[in-house]
Amino acid sequence: KAGVTQTPRYLIKTRGQQVTLSCSPISGHRSVSWYQQTPGQGLQFLFEYFSETQRNKGNFPGRFSGRQFSNSRSEMNVSTLELGDSALYLCASSLGLVGNEQFFGPGTRLTVL
Amino acid sequence: GEDVEQSLFLSVREGDSSVINCTYTDSSSTYLYWYKQEPGAGLQLLTYIFSNMDMKQDQRLTVLLNKKDKHLSLRIADTQTGDSAIYFCAESGFNSGAGSYQLTFGKGTKLSVIP
Repeated sequence: KAGVTQTPRYLIKTRGQQVTLSCSPISGHRSVSWYQQTPGQGLQFLFEYFSETQRNKGNFPGRFSGRQFSNSRSEMNVSTLELGDSALYLCASSLGLVGNEQFFGPGTRLTVL
Repeated sequence: GEDVEQSLFLSVREGDSSVINCTYTDSSSTYLYWYKQEPGAGLQLLTYIFSNMDMKQDQRLTVLLNKKDKHLSLRIADTQTGDSAIYFCAESGFNSGAGSYQLTFGKGTKLSVIP
């Protein structure tokens, strides 16, 4: 079974631009969660999608948004990029059941110049 | 809010045992996890323990849970240079507002194995 895939793996943008990151979950998984990882803040939860609906949201500004498609693939978008948005963005998929395991993708490394 | 604390660094000699400790605050946690992250990679689930268990062993890995003290530890026996990585503790707590479980991670413990 293929793992979680994220595209692109690396991205360089400039301040003010917007970016879209993509995540394909493990086949059969209906829940996709997104995390931002930075050296200073560690792993911070962005949001979770389940069956095309946002089920949970972390404490991030409205510039961060996401969506999930009927095939469970998910995208996250960051508008009006700031230098502080430079981070590793990780996607995790799970069956979406209570207490189940999350499997992580390799991440997208975003650098904002 | 919920918080997970870990020490940031641990250094051990190859062949010794490593013990990585973690404390958490959410008493409603159902599962507690240990993830491993190697440079340039995502997180790899190592093992997890259900909150009503005290101990779980999986080959070289032993997880101990003290639910009363909200303390979790990961012991790696016969530590190898390939075990050098960052280890994250995470707890799965119920977010009543969202009606779903959410993982909260510690900041990670960087394990360095000295040959």
